[in-house]
Amino acid sequence: NAGVTQTPKFQVLKTGQSMTLQCAQDMNHEYMSWYRQDPGMGLRLIHYSVGAGITDQGEVPNGYNVSRSTTEDFPLRLLSAAPSQTSVYFCASSYRTSGFSNEQFFGPGTRLTVL
Amino acid sequence: KQEVTQIPAALSVPEGENLVLNCSFTDSAIYNLQWFRQDPGKGLTSLLLIQSSQREQTSGRLNASLDKSSGRSTLYIAASQPGDSATYLCAVQSYNTDKLIFGTGTRLQVFP
Repeated sequence: NAGVTQTPKFQVLKTGQSMTLQCAQDMNHEYMSWYRQDPGMGLRLIHYSVGAGITDQGEVPNGYNVSRSTTEDFPLRLLSAAPSQTSVYFCASSYRTSGFSNEQFFGPGTRLTVL
Repeated sequence: KQEVTQIPAALSVPEGENLVLNCSFTDSAIYNLQWFRQDPGKGLTSLLLIQSSQREQTSGRLNASLDKSSGRSTLYIAASQPGDSATYLCAVQSYNTDKLIFGTGTRLQVFP
């Protein structure tokens, strides 16, 4: 199993550009989520999904869109990049039991810089 | 709103010491608590997951305990080694949400 994969590993954007961060998992996990990690602020949840066709907002959803058309993929779209979105982005996935997620598995991250 | 705190923010110890890392949370109605390790520039690696019905979990030199009533978890590292140097994060999932809330981590350095 490849686990959770993310592409690209690094990306530089100019303010106003849009892009999609890719996330895929091959463990048939129902739950997938996106976090951003900033110095001194820890990991903050952007969006999450409990299954194909279902998404919901986390703590910091503004400026980001997600969709979940398949169990395997959960892309994160930046609509109009801003310098405040410079961060490291992590995707995670897990099984769900009785309506709750279990052990979370993380991807290697995407380091995004917005100029 | 669930808040997770980790103290200390950084810790530097000589090799061989036994360590305790602390994690506190404000809402005791949790479903599970998970400890992670993060090496510089890398993703998070799951270390231990404690369900709300459990008091502790062990994996090798690591032992994590959970006291829901006091809102605390501790990660005990026995006989620390330089290879244990990393940032350790705890994360809590509450019963009333699907969201995982992270602490800001403890940066551990073990020197020879």
